[in-house]
Amino acid sequence: GAVVSQHPSRVICKSGTSVKIECRSLDFQATTMFWYRQFPKQSLMLMATSNEGSKATYEQGVEKDKFLINHASLTLSTLTVTSAHPEDSSFYICSLPGLAGPDTQYFGPGTRLTVL
Amino acid sequence: ELKVEQNPLFLSMQEGKNYTIYCNYSTTSDRLYWYRQDPGKSLESLFVLLSNGAVKQEGRLMASLDTKARLSTLHITAAVHDLSATYFCAGNPSGTYKYIFGTGTRLKVLA
Repeated sequence: GAVVSQHPSRVICKSGTSVKIECRSLDFQATTMFWYRQFPKQSLMLMATSNEGSKATYEQGVEKDKFLINHASLTLSTLTVTSAHPEDSSFYICSLPGLAGPDTQYFGPGTRLTVL
Repeated sequence: ELKVEQNPLFLSMQEGKNYTIYCNYSTTSDRLYWYRQDPGKSLESLFVLLSNGAVKQEGRLMASLDTKARLSTLHITAAVHDLSATYFCAGNPSGTYKYIFGTGTRLKVLA
């Protein structure tokens, strides 16, 4: 069965609003989760590393004040896109490494965000 | 900083033909991974390559890794329409659990 879930799977919002995306680990506790963004017909770009109980680590060029990450529990990380604009429309995918190390990486089903 | 590139970006091929997708990476990567993505879907793991010379095969797909050349290949044998998808390779920067993805190769197999 699924190891990672994301909610919602699709969301449409108006420009200027904020959107929260949840990533849940279903089978085990995860101290680290990753958030990726994928624009249409492009690759996955790592946005940030979500760390349970501490601040997220953002990749270069990713605005931490716009993409708020909260990893408040060992099974849940949330990504909030604040003041969303049409250029934020994308496919957002979370992942978490398996217990044995980086070789097993569980990817969520993704969230399609459309900002009108 | 690890960078991963793939070529070709697009590949249209006839059923029954063979072809190879190339994945080059810029610095040391502990491992190399191959994934498949269907339109609108998340990623499906294909191969995990852990060391120099590693070769893995599953059905019509075979992946290999040459760490000295910083090159991995995904070879398609006798392509079938069901293999149409986008294929990504990904590297893993040393000492981290994160993945850096290649540019992706969109494969279309024509009947």
